[in-house]
Formats: sequence, structure tokens, C-alpha cells
Amino acid sequence: EVVLTQSPDTLSLSPGERAILSCRASQSVSISHLAWHQQKPGQAPRLLIYGTSNRFTGIPDRFSGSGSGTDFTLTISRLEPEDFAVYFCHQYGNLPFTFGPGTKVDIK
Amino acid sequence: QVQLQESGPGLVKPSETLSLTCTVSGVSITAFYWTWFRQAAEKGPEWIGLIYSSGSTNYNPSLTSRVAMSLDTSKNQISLRLTSVTAADTAVYYCARKDGDYWGQGTLVTVSS
Repeated sequence: EVVLTQSPDTLSLSPGERAILSCRASQSVSISHLAWHQQKPGQAPRLLIYGTSNRFTGIPDRFSGSGSGTDFTLTISRLEPEDFAVYFCHQYGNLPFTFGPGTKVDIK
Repeated sequence: QVQLQESGPGLVKPSETLSLTCTVSGVSITAFYWTWFRQAAEKGPEWIGLIYSSGSTNYNPSLTSRVAMSLDTSKNQISLRLTSVTAADTAVYYCARKDGDYWGQGTLVTVSS
């Protein structure tokens, strides 16, 4: 099973700042099969990025993804108030598919 | 647009069977594959398994002996059954299209006597 580790656990930032979230895999993951989801309290996860760097329908361009092999990054260029949430990376290339434990982005 | 809605009992007794239904609107379930996830409190989601439009399935090895998924194309629904539940199966259960491009709102299932 591919274990995903996310860092930091919590990121405390102010609106307008840049957020950089990291996801590290225990073994190589295909760039075609790495996604990022956002989750707000009481809501279902929402797909932001698929295939490492492709924004899903309706996702603003302040969200971008990059990486390869075992190291992947989600960058939020300028935090908006609605971006404060938990972010999960997700690999869907190696069965069983797995998620990271999440990074919480909260308001400083 | 694509919408998914989970339904089923919110409380299941230990050793019994959890049964959930996901009703899909906006698209035919025969056009895609469908996934069930679950999420325990304060944890990341867990992949339970997926079902293709053909009816073939892939399950998480940690659950494969207890889980079954099926399709009802006449009702555009996907079903999940999980047998012999314990408190460790308490979670919010989600259905999703493909690998999670659209998710249902989720339904909390508590295992308790």
C-alpha cells in the first residue's frame, strides 16, 4: 500500500499569503494519478487538482499542483477567505488507492 | 449537473450488515465507474472500493472479505454492503464518481448497540 505523508499538519497564514502544501509518497506514484481535494467542516471533499497539475472544472487558477515520483506540491498563490480548509492528497494509481492525513490551512 | 445522494440507516448494531444506496442524477451510472469512500472522525478518507459499469469490482484488501458493491441501472443507483460491522466501521460514507471528481454529501453511519 502506498502511504502518503503530508506536511505541515497545520499551516497558519493570512489572506493574501501563499500556501505551499507537501505530499510525500512511500513509493513512486504516476503523475497521472495524484489528486488534491479540499474539505471544509461538515462538507464532502471537493476535487481541486487531478493528474498532479490539472485543475478540475471551476477551480480558480490560484490553485496549482506540481511534482513527480514521490514528492508533490499544492500551491495556493494568494489565499482567499474561502480557502481556509483541510487539503488531502490522494493517489489512485496503485491499489488500494490511498489518501494522506491532510493539511489544515487556518487563519493566522 | 452530476449529483450523488447517499441514503441508509444511520445506526447499525455490531455484527450486523451496513447497507447504503447512492442515487445518481444528471448522468447514467452506465457511463462511468463509481467509488465508495469512508471517513472516520478527524481522519483522511479511506478508499473502500469501486464498481465498473460492467459490474466488476475492486475492493480494498482490508475490507474485501466483508464488502460488496452492486448496480441497479433501472434506478440509477449504486449499493454498498458491509457485513459483520464493528465500532471501527463508524464513519461518514461517501459515494463518488470515478476516483472522486464528484462526491455525494455523505451519510454518517454509527455502529453501536
